[in-house]
Amino acid sequence: DIVMTQTPLSLSVTPGQPASISCKSSQSLLHSDGKTYLYWYLQKAGQSPQLLIYEVSSRFSGVPDRFSGSGSGTDFTLKISRVEAEDVGVYYCMQGINVPWTFGQGTKVEI
Amino acid sequence: QVQLVQSGAEVKKPGASVKVSCKASEYIFTDYYIHWVRQAPGQGLEWMGRINPKNGGTSYAQKFQGRVTMTRDTSISTTYMELSSLRSDDTAVYYCARGSTELWGQGTLATVSS
Repeated sequence: DIVMTQTPLSLSVTPGQPASISCKSSQSLLHSDGKTYLYWYLQKAGQSPQLLIYEVSSRFSGVPDRFSGSGSGTDFTLKISRVEAEDVGVYYCMQGINVPWTFGQGTKVEI
Repeated sequence: QVQLVQSGAEVKKPGASVKVSCKASEYIFTDYYIHWVRQAPGQGLEWMGRINPKNGGTSYAQKFQGRVTMTRDTSISTTYMELSSLRSDDTAVYYCARGSTELWGQGTLATVSS
């Protein structure tokens, strides 16, 4: 199975400041179709996870442009340009190139 | 609107089975895979498997092989996840998610307790 490792596991941020979360996979997520199957989610307290970013850097519909994803191969980053109070929760990366799909441990972001 | 609606909370005894449903609305049911993901209390997300509603084909995580069965009923746009031989550590919220996981159900809490 592909192991997904997130750092840090917790992050205390100041509103208006940037934040960054790293995600590393144990093998490349680049598929032969040219796509890289790395996703980012935010799970707010008591809610279902919500998709933020798909295929490394594509923002899902309705996701604010302060969220951005980057990276390639095995190293990926989620950045929030200016954190807002509504961004608190647990962020997960996930790989979708191989079954079983696997998640990172989660990064808890608090203000 | 486009949504996935899951069945209600369950309480089961160890050794029993639980079957959770996930009903799709306002989209073509057979156009998207359905994934099942669970989350134990205070823990992270764990992918269990997926089903292709078009033909019923499934892929399961090795961890759940032999205990999980995913099925679908195209006449009512519903997929099912059944987990058998329940243990206390199967207590979790079970989610269904569509396709590239852009759409999630609200979650179903299954509690396993004697």
